[in-house]
Amino acid sequence: GAVVSQHPSWVICKSGTSVKIECRSLDFQATTMFWYRQFPKQSLMLMATSNEGSKATYEQGVEKDKFLINHASLTLSTLTVTSAHPEDSSFYICSARIFAGTGELFFGEGSRLTVL
Amino acid sequence: AQRVTQPEKLLSVFKGAPVELKCNYSYSGSPELFWYVQYSRQRLQLLLRHISRESIKGFTADLNKGETSFHLKKPFAQEEDSAMYYCALRGTGANNLFFGTGTRLTVIP
Repeated sequence: GAVVSQHPSWVICKSGTSVKIECRSLDFQATTMFWYRQFPKQSLMLMATSNEGSKATYEQGVEKDKFLINHASLTLSTLTVTSAHPEDSSFYICSARIFAGTGELFFGEGSRLTVL
Repeated sequence: AQRVTQPEKLLSVFKGAPVELKCNYSYSGSPELFWYVQYSRQRLQLLLRHISRESIKGFTADLNKGETSFHLKKPFAQEEDSAMYYCALRGTGANNLFFGTGTRLTVIP
């Protein structure tokens, strides 16, 4: 199956700093990628839909100025958590759908962010 | 609005026993339903989708539009089935998935 890779898988940062998480589709092109957030023992919550070459579409309640999403190429989307605070600590997961594919989403391994 | 409900957060069964993970959904149109599985320390992966009507690893799921359910079943649970299972829904024409809260299945040897 298709592979989606996230980097870093684990990051610790100080409060007030910004952190960038990368999501790459390794062997396919993804015009659309999705960013999810998962709190401990809870479900995946869709944060935004990242569209290649255009602005991301954010879900209600997600601050677009805080969670900057860039989808500069067909294989890379980035999520930048700006001015991170402890409440931003979470597990961030990206996924991608193959263009003109079956509709299956392929998931990255996730990135655990801890803000001190 | 779409909603996916998995009423059981935890489910334990003995090896060889039947298992059923419940999923109910709410959606006004004709959705696509999926089951995703996450084994320990691994990423989420697709287990099966309703349109395929397939059996994967002995699991099956039938979409019941009358009951708006998509329960996941397996007649004889195996230890390697222990994992987190998520039911997910995609709305008509949509790209993204909405997930239920997940059920952690533990198969007791």
